[in-house]
Amino acid sequence: EDQVTQSPEALRLQEGESSSLNCSYTVSGLRGLFWYRQDPGKGPEFLFTLYSAGEEKEKERLKATLTKKESFLHITAPKPEDSATYLCAVQASGYNKLIFGAGTRLAVHP
Amino acid sequence: SQTIHQWPATLVQPVGSPLSLECTVEGTSNPNLYWYRQAAGRGLQLLFYSVGIGQISSEVPQNLSASRPQDRQFILSSKKLLLSDSGFYLCAWSDRDRGLLTEAFFGQGTRLTVV
Repeated sequence: EDQVTQSPEALRLQEGESSSLNCSYTVSGLRGLFWYRQDPGKGPEFLFTLYSAGEEKEKERLKATLTKKESFLHITAPKPEDSATYLCAVQASGYNKLIFGAGTRLAVHP
Repeated sequence: SQTIHQWPATLVQPVGSPLSLECTVEGTSNPNLYWYRQAAGRGLQLLFYSVGIGQISSEVPQNLSASRPQDRQFILSSKKLLLSDSGFYLCAWSDRDRGLLTEAFFGQGTRLTVV
């Protein structure tokens, strides 16, 4: 069964303290892996798409990387405005839909 | 640019009452459309998706149904709500012209509370 697991469930950082979020997946043929940011009470906001192992994407303080079994979202020198839930999703071969993990709730304190 | 509209933002409905949530997309044609539900502390669960007018695929057997009367309109309905239907409902679209491998873009969601 296709599955996406995110860890940790929650992460508390001090402003400027870099860290990484993990997304591990088991799918029958990965077509793409997607990262989203979700603020409380809002819909998810698209961040990145990764297609193949070794690929990296960057946006401001965020960098996403992909291996054959997992993806990492690295947050460098985070700021309080980076506080949100970060969702990972995968698209399996032959499916026109995304399978989501439960997310990591990130809180960055000044 | 493309935009997605979803309403209402919040809804409180009694058990046994009907439901209709509407979603429309602007700035694109022939989108794939999706309804997701998000329970507190859990991931997004795909409920329905549609690749064209009148074409609906159901992912989870439940008390809900979906319809796509127009190319850019997607409606989530129920004849009689259950307490377990409470949750955060999200509509999303993706670009069908880009094939299967494409990101989805979400609306702002509807918080449904069944009392």
